[in-house]
Parts: sequence; C-alpha cells; structure tokens
Amino acid sequence: GAGVSQTPSNKVTEKGKYVELRCDPISGHTALYWYRQSLGQGPEFLIYFQGTGAADDSGLPNDRFFAVRPEGSVSTLKIQRTERGDSAVYLCASSLYAGAGETQYFGPGTRLLVL
Amino acid sequence: KQEVTQIPAALSVPEGENLVLNCSFTDSAIYNLQWFRQDPGKGLTSLLLIQSSQREQTSGRLNASLDKSSGRSTLYIAASQPGDSATYLCAVSQLTSGTYKYIFGTGTRLKVLA
Repeated sequence: GAGVSQTPSNKVTEKGKYVELRCDPISGHTALYWYRQSLGQGPEFLIYFQGTGAADDSGLPNDRFFAVRPEGSVSTLKIQRTERGDSAVYLCASSLYAGAGETQYFGPGTRLLVL
Repeated sequence: KQEVTQIPAALSVPEGENLVLNCSFTDSAIYNLQWFRQDPGKGLTSLLLIQSSQREQTSGRLNASLDKSSGRSTLYIAASQPGDSATYLCAVSQLTSGTYKYIFGTGTRLKVLA
C-alpha cells in the first residue's frame, strides 16, 4: 500500500461511550505500533504487535484500552468507557519487521475528542 | 528511563535565516534517531533517520547530526522558508522490555516569518 492509513481521521464522542480506532499498515509490514499524543506533547508508546500477537502492551494506561490485530494486518484500538482525559491524537506506525534500527512509518493519526 | 529533551520549545525567525534545533537524550543506548515534522492537525512526516553508527544525514536544506556518546543531535535548516513552519520532533529508537520503541521529545514549534 501507499502508506499507513488510519480511520476515522476525527472522532468526537461522549464520556462513557465506546470507540474503535482502525489502523491499516503498509502491506507486508509485520510490526505494528500504537502511540498516543496529548496536546503539546510528543507521542508515547501504547502497544506493539508482531504479527497477530500483542508482544508488548506495557504502554496501555489501564484496562479500558485494548487492541487487536486478528489477521496480522489491520489493527483496531478499542477504548471502553471513554473519559475526557482520553482525548488525544492516536498514531499508528508500522515497520517491515521489529529490529534494531528499523524505521517506523507513521499514519496521519485519529484525533479523539471526548466531551 | 530514557528522556528526550528539545530546545528551544518554540522559535520564530525571519525568512532566509539558517537555524539549529537541538535534541538531547539521557541514555546513549539507542539504535537510531529520527527527526519528524508535524503540521497542525496532521500526522508525522519523517525528515531524516540517523542510524546509531552514523554521524550525520542530509536531505536538501536539512542536515541532522548525531553525537551518541554525548546524547545530542541537531537539525540544521538552511535558508528557512515560511513553508518550514511546523513542529519538529526528534525520537530515539531504544530496546525497552524487548520492544524497539520510539521515545519522543516534546518538539520545537517553528514559525518562519515572510
């Protein structure tokens, strides 16, 4: 594919609702990452997938956050019982494989606003 | 814990000036360092990637240097243009808990005045 794509580009929801954010990585990339960028901050790591499995979810802030990658390609980040503090830009990145010095390619992000 | 700091936080310069953005990191055990550009409301655009064994990379008017032992990188922008106005982020790739993650700075917001 041309690059990493993310949908929706913007999402407005009410506190307490459930949201799903989708990431379509570059075709053939085995590694997929989710990052969260709060206003005025740099992105922070959330979770990393190698193939279908979540190899490292140490960055997820709490158990309201969950992500899947069932077929080793598209990934969905799921947030339950959203809170206003969840408002941020959620960035997805992919790389050909997860190795030293490997470049991660970032998508345009999903801007989530929780009212 | 790796910390990445970018100075200055904001910068406003007249068009045509050469400028330097600074990035420092506390742990030199990195695999690469990448400079990104982020326009308002947009994602990250990769500008330059420097592998840990390299000292610098150049692309057009941009030059990035890396001094891994001292924990520093600089992004040099020559002959700045209004179109260069954006936030510039640096990120280091580090192995943490078995994962190669990017650790980002908070960015430098650049405004180039016409």
